[in-house]
Amino acid sequence: DAKTTQPTSMDCAEGRAANLPCNHSTISGNEYVYWYRQIHSQGPQYIIHGLKNNETNEMASLIITEDRKSSTLILPHATLRDTAVYYCIVRVGAGANFGNEKLTFGTGTRLTIIP
Amino acid sequence: DSGVTQTPKHLITATGQRVTLRCSPRSGDLSVYWYQQSLDQGLQFLIQYYNGEERAKGNILERFSAQQFPDLHSELNLSSLELGDSALYFCASSVAGVGTEAFFGQGTRLTVV
Repeated sequence: DAKTTQPTSMDCAEGRAANLPCNHSTISGNEYVYWYRQIHSQGPQYIIHGLKNNETNEMASLIITEDRKSSTLILPHATLRDTAVYYCIVRVGAGANFGNEKLTFGTGTRLTIIP
Repeated sequence: DSGVTQTPKHLITATGQRVTLRCSPRSGDLSVYWYQQSLDQGLQFLIQYYNGEERAKGNILERFSAQQFPDLHSELNLSSLELGDSALYFCASSVAGVGTEAFFGQGTRLTVV
């Protein structure tokens, strides 16, 4: 699986958009970009994932650059409850690895929402 | 609520003992993953099962073992426990396939004294 690079920490004002970058310059064509977050010692929570197109759901938007070497997770209106560690993970899909889709977590970005 | 159930939530035991952690995956999910998170450490992948078969192994100690049963629930057995085994243990499940997301339980906090 491709390696990802994220800033160690970020702050964002409450109510503003939080933009979390992720670099994955060695991503392969069949690898997806996943975002998870972990709120203090709770189980990691799935946020969003994508392959090449931008994606949006009720939690966030995922913007993937055209060359797929980086992406940005956007939390449109951050609240205090969004304070967490955010993990960007690149992982292969099915095919030869069907049934073996483990997620490899890095150190993530510690996002602090400031009141 | 992710739909993944882990029991017990908390466990305190002495060094040298053996414990079993249990995970019930979401309905319909065939893959189960186990992760360990020590204090202020990242999430370390231990092992994955898919429909009863071991599919991937991470940094799992020989003192640790796991299995997935026909009803798809999984158990992680930790033996000859050491102080350093104190950690949060998370289970996750997913429907195996392209681009499928994994859902995590709330973890079992193991304290070895």
